[in-house]
Amino acid sequence: KAGVTQTPRYLIKTRGQQVTLSCSPISGHRSVSWYQQTPGQGLQFLFEYFSETQRNKGNFPGRFSGRQFSNSRSEMNVSTLELGDSALYLCASSEGLAGGYNEQFFGPGTRLTVL
Amino acid sequence: DAKTTQPPSMDCAEGRAANLPCNHSTISGNEYVYWYRQIHSQGPQYIIHGLKNNETNEMASLIITEDRKSSTLILPHATLRDTAVYYCIVRVVGGYSTLTFGKGTMLLVSP
Repeated sequence: KAGVTQTPRYLIKTRGQQVTLSCSPISGHRSVSWYQQTPGQGLQFLFEYFSETQRNKGNFPGRFSGRQFSNSRSEMNVSTLELGDSALYLCASSEGLAGGYNEQFFGPGTRLTVL
Repeated sequence: DAKTTQPPSMDCAEGRAANLPCNHSTISGNEYVYWYRQIHSQGPQYIIHGLKNNETNEMASLIITEDRKSSTLILPHATLRDTAVYYCIVRVVGGYSTLTFGKGTMLLVSP
């Protein structure tokens, strides 16, 4: 099976713009979780989608949003970008809910730079 | 979820066993110990998990103390490709629990 894919791999934006990142989970996986990784804060959970519904949300402002489509592919959107949003954004997929016994498989991430 | 404590860095010679410790003294009875690793510029990779019994798979072994307050991840024959940050995570399984990553241990395997 193909692994988790994320597009684009690298992105450069300026402050105030918005950005959409995409994640395609492993075939058959219904859960997609998103994480932000920065040198200062480490890996932090953003949100999880399962069967097109947000099931869990981390402590991030409303500028961060996401959605999941019927084929389990997911997008996350960040509006009004700030310099502090520069980070590696990782998505992970699992067969069932991420909180269950299911192993999470991570994609390679999207490196976002905000100038 | 319980908090974990790991050494910030460790060194290991190639071919030798790498033993990575993790302290989780406040672990609850229904919390599992998970290990992930992250090789530079890649997403984290699941290694192994356990509740109270020792576990082994093709990648590593997990030894959990009887009181469950600490555990050790063992890579039996470390290779250069095992150089990575290793994360020990304690979490409840079920419901909407998430993976909470700490700072992990940077393992450097040298020739």
